[in-house]
Amino acid sequence: GENVEQHPSTLSVQEGDSAVIKCTYSDSASNYFPWYKQELGKRPQLIIDIRSNVGEKKDQRIAVTLNKTAKHFSLHITETQPEDSAVYFCAPLYSGGGADGLTFGKGTHLIIQP
Amino acid sequence: DTEVTQTPKHLVMGMTNKKSLKCEQHMGHRAMYWYKQKAKKPPELMFVYSYEKLSINESVPSRFSPECPNSSLLNLHLHALQPEDSALYLCASSPSWTPVYEQYFGPGTRLTVT
Repeated sequence: GENVEQHPSTLSVQEGDSAVIKCTYSDSASNYFPWYKQELGKRPQLIIDIRSNVGEKKDQRIAVTLNKTAKHFSLHITETQPEDSAVYFCAPLYSGGGADGLTFGKGTHLIIQP
Repeated sequence: DTEVTQTPKHLVMGMTNKKSLKCEQHMGHRAMYWYKQKAKKPPELMFVYSYEKLSINESVPSRFSPECPNSSLLNLHLHALQPEDSALYLCASSPSWTPVYEQYFGPGTRLTVT
């Protein structure tokens, strides 16, 4: 099965600064790399994902970069805002397009300081 | 309708009780999932249903019994639970016929076993 490591476990940044969270995985066959955000007391929600044939994807202030050779991918949040405070999970997997359960990293608690 | 709903929102049960958790989606998804999430931990996969058939069972104790009566409904039957089973139980769904991997999570049922 997939062995997932996520760093850091807690990240505190000043509002307006950038935040970077890194996820390392073990299965070289992994082909799908999502990031989920979970606010306190809420459900996890997909915020950005990338497939193995792409190196980078950006959606406004959020970006994901993938290094398949090194088997890691990273979440980048620029111009952080208070509503970015949450726990972020990576969940890399190999999928053939069917039903695949997610194996989540341990999570990163992002704290945005005013 | 792009939402997964779960009932009840909260459940308190004794160790000798039998109860059921319910999950519903009307997005036409044919893959549905149960996850368990303890406080300050990532969600852990329990069961995967694909086209109403159980496809993944992550060695979950038999006191948890899943059921998928139709393509829109997923139940989790609970019997003789232990206090350590207290957790947030999340249901999710995803399309399984295209290479679209996003999982849509319900708000969860917060279960307390006394």
